[in-house]
Amino acid sequence: EPEVTQTPSHQVTQMGQEVILRCVPISNHLYFYWYRQILGQKVEFLVSFYNNEISEKSEIFDDQFSVERPDGSNFTLKIRSTKLEDSAMYFCASGGLADLYEQYFGPGTRLTVT
Amino acid sequence: QKEVEQDPGPLSVPEGAIVSLNCTYSNSAFQYFMWYRQYSRKGPELLMYTYSSGNKEDGRFTAQVDKSSKYISLFIRDSQPSDSATYLCAMSGGKLIFGQGTELSVKP
Repeated sequence: EPEVTQTPSHQVTQMGQEVILRCVPISNHLYFYWYRQILGQKVEFLVSFYNNEISEKSEIFDDQFSVERPDGSNFTLKIRSTKLEDSAMYFCASGGLADLYEQYFGPGTRLTVT
Repeated sequence: QKEVEQDPGPLSVPEGAIVSLNCTYSNSAFQYFMWYRQYSRKGPELLMYTYSSGNKEDGRFTAQVDKSSKYISLFIRDSQPSDSATYLCAMSGGKLIFGQGTELSVKP
């Protein structure tokens, strides 16, 4: 069964450093998303991406964040200068054209900023 | 008022019990309603989704949506210890808006 994969599973970085979180969505999906979950809190939407551009972003997704689909398979989230409060689980999700409202999540990357 | 409200629990039931999980929401524009299951430190796993009002059944799971009351439910029949997880409701208008999640424990 196809699934969303994410690497790394755990990333530790120092405050102010840049990190890139990687995702491989399900191959025939067209919509891509990033969400995050701070420990003990809700899963929160960050950004959606369709047709090689951002279709929607939340207030959290400020200028420190960017997304890219550098090739036909990968989808990345970059945080330019990490802050302590960026520590969270980051989930990638994808959805197909026929299944627009069915979003399938990856296992997540746990980001720890020290 | 929060967009989506869900009792975080924890909810503990004996094996074989019927479990009822609920969410309320405030935005009447939501049309799609999802239930996800999340095991500790894992990604949310889509269980079911429904469009607009009505019921949907899948095995031991039944999802109900009452748009007039802005209330959605997930029922689990014959609950098993393997059902122990956090259950997240989510509403969609493109992006997903999640509830807090209800932690469920099914005791053997």
